[in-house]
Amino acid sequence: DGGITQSPKYLFRKEGQNVTLSCEQNLNHDAMYWYRQDPGQGLRLIYYSQIVNDFQKGDIAEGYSVSREKKESFPLTVTSAQKNPTAFYLCASSISPGTEETQYFGPGTRLLVL
Amino acid sequence: GQNIDQPTEMTATEGAIVQINCTYQTSGFNGLFWYQQHAGEAPTFLSYNVLDGLEEKGRFSSFLSRSKGYSYLLLKELQMKDSASYLCAVVPGGGNKLTFGTGTQLKVEL
Repeated sequence: DGGITQSPKYLFRKEGQNVTLSCEQNLNHDAMYWYRQDPGQGLRLIYYSQIVNDFQKGDIAEGYSVSREKKESFPLTVTSAQKNPTAFYLCASSISPGTEETQYFGPGTRLLVL
Repeated sequence: GQNIDQPTEMTATEGAIVQINCTYQTSGFNGLFWYQQHAGEAPTFLSYNVLDGLEEKGRFSSFLSRSKGYSYLLLKELQMKDSASYLCAVVPGGGNKLTFGTGTQLKVEL
């Protein structure tokens, strides 16, 4: 079955701790994206990658970092510099980088601060 | 700048028809997506409109008017499982990022 997987489903972060959210896809898609979703707000783009070994900041990149060493994987690290990390994080991919391409989403990771 | 407006909440009756509106003001326009998102789950693709007019796909249809900066999603023969949030997302002109609206929470009642 082709698709996008995210893990874990729930993640707890302590103050001052970095945490990494996993995103894997076996759709052979070139482009991958990370969004953050907060209640009452639209999805906001954190980072995106159009091709392996390349990524760009989205609208709210501060306090986050990513890597794209493999086509299938696009992990997101929430650093201690992100002061309000509690949110629902969604990873997506599209067959090519064009914004007209449909983005397919993973099941999401809910991050909570202890 | 980009601005997308959708109603926050709507309520409709099972078996009825509901129209969810989306208006946008963006710097350029190359298309509009509609996604469905059940609580705590991933958004799933419903439709993509580039040209003016109505596109029908089963119980769901989507309409676009580029000159008016307006789209709507029409859901027919509503079912309880249609209770979800419906997200409108615009493809800006010359840009490389989607802009999402805040979503419309639809509640289908008996």
